[in-house]
Amino acid sequence: QQQVKQSPQSLIVQKGGISIINCAYENTAFDYFPWYQQFPGKGPALLIAIRPDVSEKKEGRFTISFNKSAKQFSLHIMDSQPGDSATYFCAAQSGGYQKVTFGTGTKLQVIP
Amino acid sequence: NAGVTQTPKFQVLKTGQSMTLQCAQDMNHNSMYWYRQDPGMGLRLIYYSASEGTTDKGEVPNGYNVSRLNKREFSLRLESAAPSQTSVYFCASSENRGGRTKFFGPGTRLTVL
Repeated sequence: QQQVKQSPQSLIVQKGGISIINCAYENTAFDYFPWYQQFPGKGPALLIAIRPDVSEKKEGRFTISFNKSAKQFSLHIMDSQPGDSATYFCAAQSGGYQKVTFGTGTKLQVIP
Repeated sequence: NAGVTQTPKFQVLKTGQSMTLQCAQDMNHNSMYWYRQDPGMGLRLIYYSASEGTTDKGEVPNGYNVSRLNKREFSLRLESAAPSQTSVYFCASSENRGGRTKFFGPGTRLTVL
């Protein structure tokens, strides 16, 4: 049973546009929601993360919006750049260090 | 600091062969992990080690064994490789039991024929 559903699978955005990736979770015990960015041939790297006691977190051009009642969270990339082209994974974590569930990933392509 | 390093980067095996994937971290982290990444499946936890001397099964442990050699090194062994184990393998580490941020290595792309 997939506990974190991520959409879309792929996304093409023009330079300067807004990229939006959505995730939904089922387990209400999750208490930490990170997003990882992965470039081709590299391992994932933490991009930004949020806890469920806040509805939004912004770091530069990257914003997480969190809707606890709907059990949904999303990543917004403002002013998308070709250098943002990568695969993005949402994740949800609860309690112990091993209990991380990853979404299936979104391949973002930003075209000039 | 090199962070998390993995060897080899690529490997091709025949069904039934064995091999060990090596992982090392230089961040003095206590916890280490092995994940596999398959298209459309995200990252799935194979094994983890909360601290030196301990290992535990993750979501998909069948067909794998691990060794936490010391605080720095965590290896993953395939005793008898199967085509279903064709995947990209990532090692990761985190600071402690509650470490929220996981630092990933560059991955090993394994093909089993």
